[in-house]
Amino acid sequence: DAKTTQPTSMDCAEGRAANLPCNHSTISGNEYVYWYRQIHSQGPQYIIHGLKNNETNEMASLIITEDRKSSTLILPHATLRDTAVYYCIVRVGPGGYQKVTFGIGTKLQVIP
Amino acid sequence: ETGVTQTPRHLVMGMTNKKSLKCEQHLGHNAMYWYKQSAKKPLELMFVYSLEERVENNSVPSRFSPECPNSSHLFLHLHTLQPEDSALYLCASSQGTSGYEQFFGPGTRLTVL
Repeated sequence: DAKTTQPTSMDCAEGRAANLPCNHSTISGNEYVYWYRQIHSQGPQYIIHGLKNNETNEMASLIITEDRKSSTLILPHATLRDTAVYYCIVRVGPGGYQKVTFGIGTKLQVIP
Repeated sequence: ETGVTQTPRHLVMGMTNKKSLKCEQHLGHNAMYWYKQSAKKPLELMFVYSLEERVENNSVPSRFSPECPNSSHLFLHLHTLQPEDSALYLCASSQGTSGYEQFFGPGTRLTVL
């Protein structure tokens, strides 16, 4: 699986959009970008995934650059409950079991 | 119960004890996972079961022994642990053939004295 690089930490004001970047310059054509988050001492929670098109769901939007070497997770209106560690993961799509490698992630602090 | 459940949520044990962690998924998935998360470290994948067969064992010491009796249940048997084994142990499941994401349980916070 391709390696990802994320900033160690970020702050965001409550109510503003949180934009979390991820670099994955060695991504292969069949690899997807996944985002998970982990609120303190809880299990990680899936947020969103994408291959090459931008994606949106009720939690967030995922913007993938045209060359697919980087992406941005957008939380449109951050709340205090969005304070968590956010993990960007690149791996092949479904089929068989999923060996997911979690890195250090980005610790997002939403500030009142 | 829905999703992935884990029991107990907290466990304190001595180094000579034997205990077991239990995970149950109510999602109809066919793959289950054990992860370890030590303080200030990334999640480490320990074991993977697919269709009730172990398909991944990431050099985990033999004092950790997994068991998957059926596709809904996963156990982690613990014996003669060390203090450095104190961590959050997380279970997850996924639908291997069509699912994109892993669903995680709340974890068991283990303290080894």
